[in-house]
Amino acid sequence: AQSVTQLGSHVSVSEGALVLLRCNYSSSVPPYLFWYVQYPNQGLQLLLKYTTGATLVKGINGFEAEFKKSETSFHLTKPSAHMSDAAEYFCAVRDASGGSYIPTFGRGTSLIVHP
Amino acid sequence: GAGVSQTPSNKVTEKGKYVELRCDPISGHTALYWYRQSLGQGPEFLIYFQGTGAADDSGLPNDRFFAVRPEGSVSTLKIQRTERGDSAVYLCASSGQANTGELFFGEGSRLTVL
Repeated sequence: AQSVTQLGSHVSVSEGALVLLRCNYSSSVPPYLFWYVQYPNQGLQLLLKYTTGATLVKGINGFEAEFKKSETSFHLTKPSAHMSDAAEYFCAVRDASGGSYIPTFGRGTSLIVHP
Repeated sequence: GAGVSQTPSNKVTEKGKYVELRCDPISGHTALYWYRQSLGQGPEFLIYFQGTGAADDSGLPNDRFFAVRPEGSVSTLKIQRTERGDSAVYLCASSGQANTGELFFGEGSRLTVL
């Protein structure tokens, strides 16, 4: 069975500061890993994903995440926060192959950006 | 539009009533998922379709919940004898290739059971 833990239900940063949103997963098989973002009154949209290959993946809006197998982590970062980054962020995991095609989501982290 | 469409966007009903929520996926997407999101929680899996058939319905909480996708496109989530605990945002997502994992979500249907 898969599970996702997102540490911190809320993260608050100043505009221009580093953004770090934490995600740890549990999976019995090699995982695919995802970060989704949900802006107010909108559906979830994919920020970035790791499937195979390079462990540092870049996504939209300057975000990136690094898959660290030894730490079972997939933390999301952005060097400089912008006011428009304020949103809910969800980490998700699913089996890479031969297993379930159903992503399991974390509880989400609300990113607050203040001037 | 080109995205996933869900109707209604908001539904208020009384305890005990029957409710249908509709999802129109992206054209050509064979995989369709229903999730439920309660306040302060992440999306919780309900059911997954591959084509017309339910490939995995292990997330449906009880037999009051049922979903169909008769022609492999539009799906309807049906809830009988609604309870206050069913209040949540019901999310639909579709995927063109289930093996890549990327889901395209609709904006959700907010259900409130009074």
